[in-house]
Amino acid sequence: SQQGEEDPQALSIQEGENATMNCSYKTSINNLQWYRQNSGRGLVHLILIRSNEREKHSGRLRVTLDTSKKSSSLLITASRAADTASYFCATFYGNNRLAFGKGNQVVVIP
Amino acid sequence: EADIYQTPRYLVIGTGKKITLECSQTMGHDKMYWYQQDPGMELHLIHYSYGVNSTEKGDLSSESTVSRIRTEHFPLTLESARPSHTSQYLCASSDRQGYGEKLFFGSGTQLSVL
Repeated sequence: SQQGEEDPQALSIQEGENATMNCSYKTSINNLQWYRQNSGRGLVHLILIRSNEREKHSGRLRVTLDTSKKSSSLLITASRAADTASYFCATFYGNNRLAFGKGNQVVVIP
Repeated sequence: EADIYQTPRYLVIGTGKKITLECSQTMGHDKMYWYQQDPGMELHLIHYSYGVNSTEKGDLSSESTVSRIRTEHFPLTLESARPSHTSQYLCASSDRQGYGEKLFFGSGTQLSVL
């Protein structure tokens, strides 16, 4: 069952601009993770935010979590062409399995 | 760089063939997973394992089978491939650390069944 759903689905921005994408989930969570997937490749873990955290930073990434709204956002600041990828949020559910949302496709135009 | 490897990277086969997609990791992780992903779509969990001799079906019904005879190896087998099996198959692994774990993914196998 899908636990996360990202919004917007596709985003096209100029290099140097910020990119923001959102994710909503359905059940209570212990943590939420964001992954990046380059075209035709596997996923790479970006950042994990725990349910008792509201904001977390990692380099040019900023993740927020609002457990009351069951939503999270991922902000990429000063985007680069190399940031072109799909971004997925993921949460754990029954039996300790990780479920992924549909993903946001981000295209950064040089 | 994740130490998890999938072969082959691409596979084109005819209907009815038996195939095995290989997945190996050198990180000593207990947990391993197979996800199926159509282009531009979400990932669906089809199989997972918590350790040697442990295999479970995931959320998406799949005609494939898996085995876990060694910690590092988690192959997926299709006894009789069909065009509906055309998809990308992603293998992943993680430590047994409860709800704080992150997954490491292989590069995937893109399967095309003609």
